[in-house]
Amino acid sequence: QSVLTQPPSASGTPGQSVTISCSGSSSNIGVNYVYWYQQLSGAAPKLLVYRNKERPSGVPDRFSASKSGTSASLAISGLRSEDEGDYYCAAWEDSLTGWVFGGGTKVTVL
Amino acid sequence: QVHLVQSGAEVKRPGSAVRVSCKASGRTFNRYIFSWVRRAPGQDFEWLGRFIPVFGASDFPQSFQDRVTLSADEYTSTAYMELTGLTSEDTATYYCTTEDNSSGFSHIDYWGQGTLVTVSS
Repeated sequence: QSVLTQPPSASGTPGQSVTISCSGSSSNIGVNYVYWYQQLSGAAPKLLVYRNKERPSGVPDRFSASKSGTSASLAISGLRSEDEGDYYCAAWEDSLTGWVFGGGTKVTVL
Repeated sequence: QVHLVQSGAEVKRPGSAVRVSCKASGRTFNRYIFSWVRRAPGQDFEWLGRFIPVFGASDFPQSFQDRVTLSADEYTSTAYMELTGLTSEDTATYYCTTEDNSSGFSHIDYWGQGTLVTVSS
């Protein structure tokens, strides 16, 4: 059972939009920032979003994120074949005093 | 842009220890915070702890407090993670990461390529 819950998969055709949810609790997402990472075919994870909705330089604005209460979401608009991969949410967990992660969502571009 | 290069795959016997290294570049050494994360097959990413070289201090979750030792060498800009008392449940890919706390709120920003550690008799 993941501390942060994500759907195992999501898919869309090129150009479509896909949204990935991340559900946590009052001791992680509810009180701390959410971060999103992208892992493409066996490569190292890459930071996609920090502090709930900020994008590092170089991350396209097709990627957007938000947080509300104890949940967060990542939206990918204008889906492209190179977006195919695994997406993970993360947050600091106050009760465990450490980072916790979602189980990951595999995005498939049909 | 931080670049992290980890040591190669390891095969270890149960009860032994493993040491993974991580050579870092791209950031002033005193600004590094090295965090270690692992992912066992079929499991979520799991945080093992972090080492803050400028303070020589470590943070661990309770589950790894007794088995993990973290360190770093400023002269070679290399971080190390040692895990003792290995069991088959420690079979995983281990990632070296860095944390950025320049804004006052720390987060993991860069990841190494991962090191596969297999524990088998």
